[in-house]
Amino acid sequence: DQQVKQNSPSLSVQEGRISILNCDYTNSMFDYFLWYKKYPAEGPTFLISISSIKDKNEDGRFTVFLNKSAKHLSLHIVPSQPGDSAVYFCAARGEVNYGGSQGNLIFGKGTKLSVKP
Amino acid sequence: EAQVTQNPRYLITVTGKKLTVTCSQNMNHEYMSWYRQDPGLGLRQIYYSMNVEVTDKGDVPEGYKVSRKEKRNFPLILESPSPNQTSLYFCASSPGQGQRREKLFFGSGTQLSVL
Repeated sequence: DQQVKQNSPSLSVQEGRISILNCDYTNSMFDYFLWYKKYPAEGPTFLISISSIKDKNEDGRFTVFLNKSAKHLSLHIVPSQPGDSAVYFCAARGEVNYGGSQGNLIFGKGTKLSVKP
Repeated sequence: EAQVTQNPRYLITVTGKKLTVTCSQNMNHEYMSWYRQDPGLGLRQIYYSMNVEVTDKGDVPEGYKVSRKEKRNFPLILESPSPNQTSLYFCASSPGQGQRREKLFFGSGTQLSVL
């Protein structure tokens, strides 16, 4: 069963507008969440993270919101730029010893963002 | 330059022919991990290593082996590759302490095709 879900495979927005990427998770024991960005022919790169004790974390144009009661987090990009076009992966850290995985990251399937000029 | 280096970038092989994908990092990171990326499935962890001589299975370890004899190197070994191991593979590393461990540094990937 998928623990981290990104239900939108793709998203298209106009340059300058807001991009909102969504992520849902099923395990209430997840305690740390991250977003990674991936360009074609490159490995993913860390973008922003949030601890489960917070509900918002901001870094420049990027803000991550966490709604623990809904088991939902979202990444807001404002304003969106063409260079933001990439695949975005949501990831959650499993609880220590969850399934023996020692708290390793569990990734969603990714959302491909296209920002049009 | 701080980086994770994987080789080769592209590899085409045949079923049953043993292969090794190398991974090296120059950041003195304790934690290293291998992932595979498949269409519609996202990134799935194969194996990880908390430190030298310490390795453990991830979510999809079947058909793979790893070793961690040195801190900087973490090769992925396919003893008898099969077509279902055709995938895009990523090696990653991180400092390994607390929340820094999840801020992974990824290599550029190895596209493997098993015929």
